[in-house]
Amino acid sequence: NAGVTQTPKFRILKIGQSMTLQCTQDMNHNYMYWYRQDPGMGLKLIYYSVGAGITDKGEVPNGYNVSRSTTEDFPLRLELAAPSQTSVYFCASTPDYGYTFGSGTRLTVV
Amino acid sequence: AQKVTQAQTEISVVEKEDVTLDCVYETRDTTYYLFWYKQPPSGELVFLIRRNSFDEQNEISGRYSWNFQKSTSSFNFTITASQVVDSAVYFCALSETGANSKLTFGKGITLSVRP
Repeated sequence: NAGVTQTPKFRILKIGQSMTLQCTQDMNHNYMYWYRQDPGMGLKLIYYSVGAGITDKGEVPNGYNVSRSTTEDFPLRLELAAPSQTSVYFCASTPDYGYTFGSGTRLTVV
Repeated sequence: AQKVTQAQTEISVVEKEDVTLDCVYETRDTTYYLFWYKQPPSGELVFLIRRNSFDEQNEISGRYSWNFQKSTSSFNFTITASQVVDSAVYFCALSETGANSKLTFGKGITLSVRP
């Protein structure tokens, strides 16, 4: 039982490049989330999903896209990377109110 | 809308001191959940406690204790006899029922425990 797995752990992107942050959970949780953490700002919700095929915007969705084709996977897509997207990204899942977080992806856009 | 305020940004104590981390929340829901997470220098988020809004009993777990007071919308966290390993960023978070279980985090408190 791996919990929530995020890949990659670290990535450096050039401005304008695109990439996908992967998130997979093996607990059959319906709810999945993407958060970003900026220094001194806590974690802010980017997108979330309440089940396969259903996604919705969180507090800071601009510049990102998501999809949820299966219960297990919830990838986060950055289409045109900008320096403002330099952050640590956390994926999480829950069946109700018991959250499991991935170990995070540290992304730097230069 | 829900909101979590952690007014303290950085706290520095000497080992063995007691320290309290404050958390104040805002919600219109009568049913909600409150959480504390620890983020050590390694970066992962470590779950510490979950409390639902109907359970106002204080909780103690070893050197950790939590004081939940609905009357003041506070959920404070006390570390007794702090240790260097307690050095971390601590987040308070809130989840309203019916809000798709979304977590709203405070900005975090950086705790430094000096030997």
